[in-house]
Amino acid sequence: DAGVIQSPRHEVTEMGQEVTLRCKPISGHNSLFWYRQTMMRGLELLIYFNNNVPIDDSGMPEDRFSAKMPNASFSTLKIQPSEPRDSAVYFCASSFRRRGSGANEKLFFGSGTQLSVL
Amino acid sequence: QQQVKQSPQSLIVQKGGISIINCAYENTAFDYFPWYQQFPGKGPALLIAIRPDVSEKKEGRFTISFNKSAKQFSLHIMDSQPGDSATYFCAASMRNTDKLIFGTGTRLQVFP
Repeated sequence: DAGVIQSPRHEVTEMGQEVTLRCKPISGHNSLFWYRQTMMRGLELLIYFNNNVPIDDSGMPEDRFSAKMPNASFSTLKIQPSEPRDSAVYFCASSFRRRGSGANEKLFFGSGTQLSVL
Repeated sequence: QQQVKQSPQSLIVQKGGISIINCAYENTAFDYFPWYQQFPGKGPALLIAIRPDVSEKKEGRFTISFNKSAKQFSLHIMDSQPGDSATYFCAASMRNTDKLIFGTGTRLQVFP
């Protein structure tokens, strides 16, 4: 398996532009997570999906951020309009949540998208 | 209540030494405590995890010690190697939720 695939690896854009980050989870996984990593705030959970349905988006910083999961093999995180403070590494992670189990026991992370907003 | 506090922020250890990273939490509803390892340019990867019904879990050179009454848990890396140089994150999660709350990370450097 190729693991969780994120694209692009690096994105440089200007303030005010729309940015779309993409994620392909591991086949067969039913949970998908978007995290943001910065030096100041560490790893922050933005939103997660179970079976393609958004479950908790309380970590999404503002209305400028939106995430979709149209099917089990694809998700996007969109920032519109982007701002310099959005500069960070954005990670997508997937896992298989067993029925009746508690927490997701093993998250598989992609290599991240390094976003720079100038 | 949702935070996981991790220390130290950075750690330098000689090859062969023991690396110890500590985490503390407040929310007693947390019942799953994993540690993730992250190399530069890569996403975090699960290293080892523990549930509060045991006080210690060992996998090779990596051991988690868990103190439920103190609400603390720690990662011990025995015989530390240069290849262990990475950033380590503790995390916590509550039963029946998928939210994994991460600590702020510890950058470990092991010198030969």
